[in-house]
Amino acid sequence: QKEVEQDPGPLSVPEGAIVSLNCTYSNSAFQYFMWYRQYSRKGPELLMYTYSSGNKEDGRFTAQVDKSSKYISLFIRDSQPSDSATYLCAMGYYGNNRLAFGKGNQVVVIP
Amino acid sequence: SAVISQKPSRDICQRGTSLTIQCQVDSQVTMMFWYRQQPGQSLTLIATANQGSEATYESGFVIDKFPISRPNLTFSTLTVSNMSPEDSSIYLCSVGQGVETQYFGPGTRLLVL
Repeated sequence: QKEVEQDPGPLSVPEGAIVSLNCTYSNSAFQYFMWYRQYSRKGPELLMYTYSSGNKEDGRFTAQVDKSSKYISLFIRDSQPSDSATYLCAMGYYGNNRLAFGKGNQVVVIP
Repeated sequence: SAVISQKPSRDICQRGTSLTIQCQVDSQVTMMFWYRQQPGQSLTLIATANQGSEATYESGFVIDKFPISRPNLTFSTLTVSNMSPEDSSIYLCSVGQGVETQYFGPGTRLLVL
């Protein structure tokens, strides 16, 4: 079983729709849960991180973590064409700087 | 967040040769990391480069293949040695104080023929 599973299937949505992305994981030691955005031919950009279980909101972005189910989600409200990118989930824990990444979801927001 | 640059941004190399990738940060950082992003695969940590000590390699990566230098707190290099087509990938450096705040450079796109 992979440490982090993220269905890499592309996702196309109309402008203004809610984008829903998720990852599952197997390592119960993970404490920090990150979402990165990667535009084509660019490096990953940290969007937000959550510590342990719960929700975190930053503008149009909401991250959710359910440690009991080993499941994390990212929601993008009122999606814009500029949100078109690949979104990567990543996880880690204190004292170990190695990030475990999902494969990424390519999101296309259609005007 | 730190501003990170990498050189070269891309390269095409012949098998059997070596390529050195540079990573420059605009501020002093304790920890720098080197990742590989292969097509269709997850970003994978190659090694952690700490100034003043030898790099720490992850399972599956060895110093002979990926030697790393860290001469100061703003600079690091990764060499991909004796390259084969399987080394074709994007190589990224990142910096961070902790696992939750790692910031990535733009990447070096390598194609080995």
